[in-house]
Amino acid sequence: AQTVTQSQPEMSVQEAETVTLSCTYDTSESNYYLFWYKQPPSRQMILVIRQEAYKQQNATENRFSVNFQKAAKSFSLKISDSQLGDTAMYFCAFMRIIQGAQKLVFGQGTRLTINP
Amino acid sequence: DTEVTQTPKHLVMGMTNKKSLKCEQHMGHRAMYWYKQKAKKPPELMFVYSYEKLSINESVPSRFSPECPNSSLLNLHLHALQPEDSALYLCASSRGGLVAGNTIYFGEGSWLTVV
Repeated sequence: AQTVTQSQPEMSVQEAETVTLSCTYDTSESNYYLFWYKQPPSRQMILVIRQEAYKQQNATENRFSVNFQKAAKSFSLKISDSQLGDTAMYFCAFMRIIQGAQKLVFGQGTRLTINP
Repeated sequence: DTEVTQTPKHLVMGMTNKKSLKCEQHMGHRAMYWYKQKAKKPPELMFVYSYEKLSINESVPSRFSPECPNSSLLNLHLHALQPEDSALYLCASSRGGLVAGNTIYFGEGSWLTVV
């Protein structure tokens, strides 16, 4: 069974610093997709970045980038030049196909606070 | 701005009431989802509709009844709920199909309180 583990329940950094959130997963599949979602206090789940397992190049989206280590089954998120608006709960998620539909399996989340 | 719209944003209902949560998307997506999220926990999948047909039911109690009237609308009918059903209910959608990797987009959620 696929599992996703986020080992850092909470993190806190100063504005403009760089922060890395860790995520590990377990799967026997060879091709799959990984996602980072953020959930600010407004509670809407917002896609931050996605990674396709067959692509060796790490995904980047502006200040957000991932370090994808397929052999180690690791998928960490780096936030550069952190901003107050980055304060949120961050969820790592693994996507699988089951019964003809997509299913996201989420980690337990990391609560990130950016301090002024 | 979210392209998945959920109503109502807040709902308080008694254990004997019947109510519904509604979700709408206009992105042409053919897969729609209901997730339940308790405080300080990740979302948990409840139901998936693919091309207006129920594809996944994660052993959800029958007091929750999903309905997909068309490809843009998704309802969750609530009846005889328990206080432990109080949670944030998230609707989501994606392009659907058997191709993995389609991004799933979430609405802002409906806060449900059962009293």
